[in-house]
Amino acid sequence: GDSVTQMEGPVTLSEEAFLTINCTYTATGYPSLFWYVQYPGEGLQLLLKATKADDKGSNKGFEATYRKETTSFHLEKGSVQVSDSAVYFCALRRRQGGSEKLVFGKGTKLTVNP
Amino acid sequence: GAVVSQHPSWVICKSGTSVKIECRSLDFQATTMFWYRQFPKQSLMLMATSNEGSKATYEQGVEKDKFLINHASLTLSTLTVTSAHPEDSSFYICSATHLDSSSYNEQFFGPGTRLTVL
Repeated sequence: GDSVTQMEGPVTLSEEAFLTINCTYTATGYPSLFWYVQYPGEGLQLLLKATKADDKGSNKGFEATYRKETTSFHLEKGSVQVSDSAVYFCALRRRQGGSEKLVFGKGTKLTVNP
Repeated sequence: GAVVSQHPSWVICKSGTSVKIECRSLDFQATTMFWYRQFPKQSLMLMATSNEGSKATYEQGVEKDKFLINHASLTLSTLTVTSAHPEDSSFYICSATHLDSSSYNEQFFGPGTRLTVL
């Protein structure tokens, strides 16, 4: 079945460091891909998405490119801030039985130190 | 906009009792609500999908008689864990999609409910 694998954390970086969180997927067809972020005490929020191959999603300085050839959707940010500390989830969306469902990775906890 | 709340945020109960968790869309009407379960260091696992006024659709392996879902209105869905046991201890998260959503149908997530069964 469909699945998402993302790098295990926790990841600890200093402010202004470069961030990469790897995400690969297994799916039939061409799913839409997402990154969600969960700040402490809050619900998951959509960070960015890409719906087809070679699409680049971007938001708040984060970027991820849908790579069909490597079945990947790695999250990057050039210069992280303390406020980026959160748990990041990679996910794909698939159709099943007439409805659309999200399949999540395990999440990667990011801590950014000043 | 698009805020989803859950109540309670955490609950501790004795084995054998039932616990009800509420999920509300505060500023929009939700066509569909989803219930997820998350174990420590694990991904969110979809338990069931519910549409207002109809029976929930459960994922394979989820006991529908144990996890009762009611979606009585466009802004409220409830998950009742019946005869809870320690293995039901987990983090339960709900999400909702807009009534007037675009073709994307983005899911808006609640903050989750931590259930501990003693």
